[in-house]
Amino acid sequence: RKEVEQDPGPFNVPEGATVAFNCTYSNSASQSFFWYRQDCRKEPKLLMSVYSSGNEDGRFTAQLNRASQYISLLIRDSKLSDSATYLCVVNYYGQNFVFGPGTRLSVLP
Amino acid sequence: GAVVSQHPSRVICKSGTSVKIECRSLDFQATTMFWYRQFPKQSLMLMATSNEGSKATYEQGVEKDKFLINHASLTLSTLTVTSAHPEDSSFYICSARVSGSGTEAFFGQGTRLTVV
Repeated sequence: RKEVEQDPGPFNVPEGATVAFNCTYSNSASQSFFWYRQDCRKEPKLLMSVYSSGNEDGRFTAQLNRASQYISLLIRDSKLSDSATYLCVVNYYGQNFVFGPGTRLSVLP
Repeated sequence: GAVVSQHPSRVICKSGTSVKIECRSLDFQATTMFWYRQFPKQSLMLMATSNEGSKATYEQGVEKDKFLINHASLTLSTLTVTSAHPEDSSFYICSARVSGSGTEAFFGQGTRLTVV
């Protein structure tokens, strides 16, 4: 089993749609969680950290369920500019970051 | 946020030659940097962890004699792909984390290596 797994995608949605990404991780000792965004042929960039209490940043909402080892990202009112690959990332304190395979999103006009 | 500069962004080389990629943390000290490789439509895969002043730790399946890593200072790590082959063509990305906690990773811009 892979250490971090995500929805296989791709997701093709119309502008204005709400889309949810799911992620599970296998290492129960994982301590930090993030969603990164990667545009084609570019480096990943942090979208948001994920906290146990859940957190929201504008149209983006991230949730963490430690008991289920599950992370989610919800994007509301999708924009064309949201088209990218979304990477779920987990980190065990002091160790390297482990990336999920990513889920590609295409927002269509 | 912190800035990590990676150079070059693109390189084309002939089979059998060596290529050096630099990764610099511009406004913070990074005792640890990470080198990743990403093949088309695949996720980032950790190649090695670079520790300042000591030998790098390589992931299983990554040849340490082929991918030479040097982390001579707190702001610079280099990856040298020796005797490059076409199958080494990939997107190489370095990242660094501000020392001391599980905070976010900052990434270089990546280097697209094409070996012909």
